[in-house]
Amino acid sequence: DTAVSQTPKYLVTQMGNDKSIKCEQNLGHDTMYWYKQDSKKFLKIMFSYNNKELIINETVPNRFSPKSPDKAHLNLHINSLELGDSAVYFCASSQASREGLLTDTQYFGPGTRLTVL
Amino acid sequence: GQNIDQPTEMTATEGAIVQINCTYQTSGFNGLFWYQQHAGEAPTFLSYNVLDGLEEKGRFSSFLSRSKGYSYLLLKELQMKDSASYLCAVLDSNYQLIWGAGTKLIIKP
Repeated sequence: DTAVSQTPKYLVTQMGNDKSIKCEQNLGHDTMYWYKQDSKKFLKIMFSYNNKELIINETVPNRFSPKSPDKAHLNLHINSLELGDSAVYFCASSQASREGLLTDTQYFGPGTRLTVL
Repeated sequence: GQNIDQPTEMTATEGAIVQINCTYQTSGFNGLFWYQQHAGEAPTFLSYNVLDGLEEKGRFSSFLSRSKGYSYLLLKELQMKDSASYLCAVLDSNYQLIWGAGTKLIIKP
């Protein structure tokens, strides 16, 4: 069974559209994350959710919004897509306490390659 | 600012040993991770160091010196499948994971 899964794996869309990427983890972890990996391969954290509460929110545009229906899911919604949003988006999860002791290993999903035309 | 430095690319020969260095300057330190990422795939965990010294795990070892802000990942008996990017990441005082850009390791026969 896949520990952290994401759908879709590839997403090609036009500028201005709204799209969502789904993420699910079956590890029973308390914290889930969204990362953006750009063409230079830097991984930048976008959001982190612990027990359905946002605990890290880096300075990303408010066009990006995380939605967590339950502890096992963290979906990423993107409104009004722009060319610069093209990147690979990784979901991850870790066993972390509410106090933010993020010392546990993060397990990554396979990534979603988003291309905005 | 916070900074993680790694060489961009390294080349090594199958069967040999290679050491990938990582230096960091962060606001606080709560541990250092090494991840492996094959092209087009997600990062996978290799090691976690929070105390000074060497941690050995099979063909891979990771070393940490907190006073020097320095770590290295040592890969022995290199195999072709070890061709990948190796990412160094530091957990800062706010428990945020700061990532390096990664070192692309090319293994030649």
